[in-house]
Amino acid sequence: AQSVTQLDSHVSVSEGTPVLLRCNYSSSYSPSLFWYVQHPNKGLQLLLKYTSAATLVKGINGFEAEFKKSETSFHLTKPSAHMSDAAEYFCVVSARQAGTALIFGKGTTLSVSS
Amino acid sequence: NAGVMQNPRHLVRRRGQEARLRCSPMKGHSHVYWYRQLPEEGLKFMVYLQKENIIDESGMPKERFSAEFPKEGPSILRIQQVVRGDSAAYFCASSPRSAGETEAFFGQGTRLTVV
Repeated sequence: AQSVTQLDSHVSVSEGTPVLLRCNYSSSYSPSLFWYVQHPNKGLQLLLKYTSAATLVKGINGFEAEFKKSETSFHLTKPSAHMSDAAEYFCVVSARQAGTALIFGKGTTLSVSS
Repeated sequence: NAGVMQNPRHLVRRRGQEARLRCSPMKGHSHVYWYRQLPEEGLKFMVYLQKENIIDESGMPKERFSAEFPKEGPSILRIQQVVRGDSAAYFCASSPRSAGETEAFFGQGTRLTVV
């Protein structure tokens, strides 16, 4: 079975400060991991993905995430938050051997204040 | 190459009516997935289809819900005899291969309101 736990339902930061959104996963297989972002009333956009290549993954808009197998974590970071980063972020796990569905975490709402 | 297209973007139905949600995948994508998002929650998997076949419907309610992806035309998610609890955002995603091998691209969703 596969599952994803996003450890914070809400994170608030000031513009220009670092962002850390935490995600732990569980998978009986070698997982693929993704971070998606959803702006209000919009669809989902892929930020970055890990598919068993480099463990440090760089994505769009300055985001990156590190796959740590020993900690079963895939935390999302950004050195300096921008107002436009305010959105809902979803950590997602999938594994080809487990079937086909993307399993979503419950999401973390990121608020950015000026 | 247009992205995943879902229509309508907003749909209002009275209790007991039928709702039909359409999803046109990206060009070259033969894998389609439907997800439901309730307020304050993540996306819940409903069904995975490949052209003309249902591959996994483990997340689909047993009654009133059905999905198809015909050889020609969009994928359709059909909800019969809608109830208030069906009000949600329904997202479709597509990928060229199984989502376990590559990322899926999402549409903007259909927001269903049952009154």
